[in-house]
Amino acid sequence: AQKVTQAQTEISVVEKEDVTLDCVYETRDTTYYLFWYKQPPSGELVFLIRRNSFDEQNEISGRYSWNFQKSTSSFNFTITASQVVDSAVYFCALSERGGAQKLVFGQGTRLTINP
Amino acid sequence: NAGVTQTPKFRVLKTGQSMTLLCAQDMNHEYMYWYRQDPGMGLRLIHYSVGEGTTAKGEVPDGYNVSRLKKQNFLLGLESAAPSQTSVYFCASSYSWGSAYNEQFFGPGTRLTVL
Repeated sequence: AQKVTQAQTEISVVEKEDVTLDCVYETRDTTYYLFWYKQPPSGELVFLIRRNSFDEQNEISGRYSWNFQKSTSSFNFTITASQVVDSAVYFCALSERGGAQKLVFGQGTRLTINP
Repeated sequence: NAGVTQTPKFRVLKTGQSMTLLCAQDMNHEYMYWYRQDPGMGLRLIHYSVGEGTTAKGEVPDGYNVSRLKKQNFLLGLESAAPSQTSVYFCASSYSWGSAYNEQFFGPGTRLTVL
């Protein structure tokens, strides 16, 4: 069975600090996709990134970067020079091969950036 | 292009009452999903649909029914609401084409309270 664990329930940092959100997943499949979504205080879910199991290259997008390591079944998310607008709940999710593209979400990490 | 919309945004029910949540998308997506979000548990899949006229159970389907009579609409019904169904409900949709698993687009959510 597939499972996603985000062990950090809440993180609070001061603005401009770097912060890493951890995501560990379990799956028996060799083909799968990993996602990160952001849920700001307004409540909607915003797609951030998708990564397939065959692509272990790290990704950088502005202040955001993602580190995918199959050896440790982790897909961690780092925000560099955090800003107050980064305050949100962040979800990691997993989708296995098999149709319907269903997502299994982690519990979420609530990130608070203090000015 | 409204994306994914949900009706209503808020609702308060008494135990035993019934209601229907409406999800509509204007992106011509084949796949649609209903999730519930509860504190500390992330999002959990209730039901999903891979096309007009088809539905399937997700992780937590008990107490809910769904219908997909039109491609653009996905309805979630509660026949006899229970306090345990107090939650925030999200509808999502995604493309079905291509070899890569596509991200899901989420609606704004419906906050339901069952007294």
